[in-house]
Amino acid sequence: GAGVSQSPSNKVTEKGKDVELRCDPISGHTALYWYRQSLGQGLEFLIYFQGNSAPDKSGLPSDRFSAERTGGSVSTLTIQRTQQEDSAVYLCASSLGQTQETQYFGPGTRLLVL
Amino acid sequence: GNSVTQMEGPVTLSEEAFLTINCTYTATGYPSLFWYVQYPGEGLQLLLKATKADDKGSNKGFEATYRKETTSFHLEKGSVQVSDSAVYFCALSVNTGGFKTIFGAGTRLFVKA
Repeated sequence: GAGVSQSPSNKVTEKGKDVELRCDPISGHTALYWYRQSLGQGLEFLIYFQGNSAPDKSGLPSDRFSAERTGGSVSTLTIQRTQQEDSAVYLCASSLGQTQETQYFGPGTRLLVL
Repeated sequence: GNSVTQMEGPVTLSEEAFLTINCTYTATGYPSLFWYVQYPGEGLQLLLKATKADDKGSNKGFEATYRKETTSFHLEKGSVQVSDSAVYFCALSVNTGGFKTIFGAGTRLFVKA
């Protein structure tokens, strides 16, 4: 398919472990976003990549969270020393960026920290 | 700064009732405005959009008009169905050298048969 894909779809981990979440955006999309959606809550912006510009990290909740985007395509969100409050659905979205604002969302990764 | 405020939910309606979900925004420049929808168990998807003042976005019987004078983009539907039960997110997008989108908190809609 040509949509945004994320992996894994579900992740259960123990408190204190590191996790990596992956996002494959739609080919040709220059903008990529990560959001967090806690149970019953709205979307919390985490980080935004646009082309080769420095990412907007203003939404990252702590220094345990980091993200990178290699080659302007695939992105990885890393959470170090996970805490129970990190449990949420992590959503990735991409858009054409410079020429189109509509975002296309992946199915999300559901993270549970025990 | 840029922000979106939408009415708190949940909103509970009977089938065929009229729906309004309020959304107001604050933005520098001239944003585009969106409504996204998240059906139970599904991912977020675009419902409708409007890119300039007085534009009306419409889809699946839903409408929203970009009102610059009141900085609003209220979502309306004349007759809701049970299948419209979902979470609705208002959003704006501004060009900051690329388009950055800011979402409201979401409004959960329950439609009863």
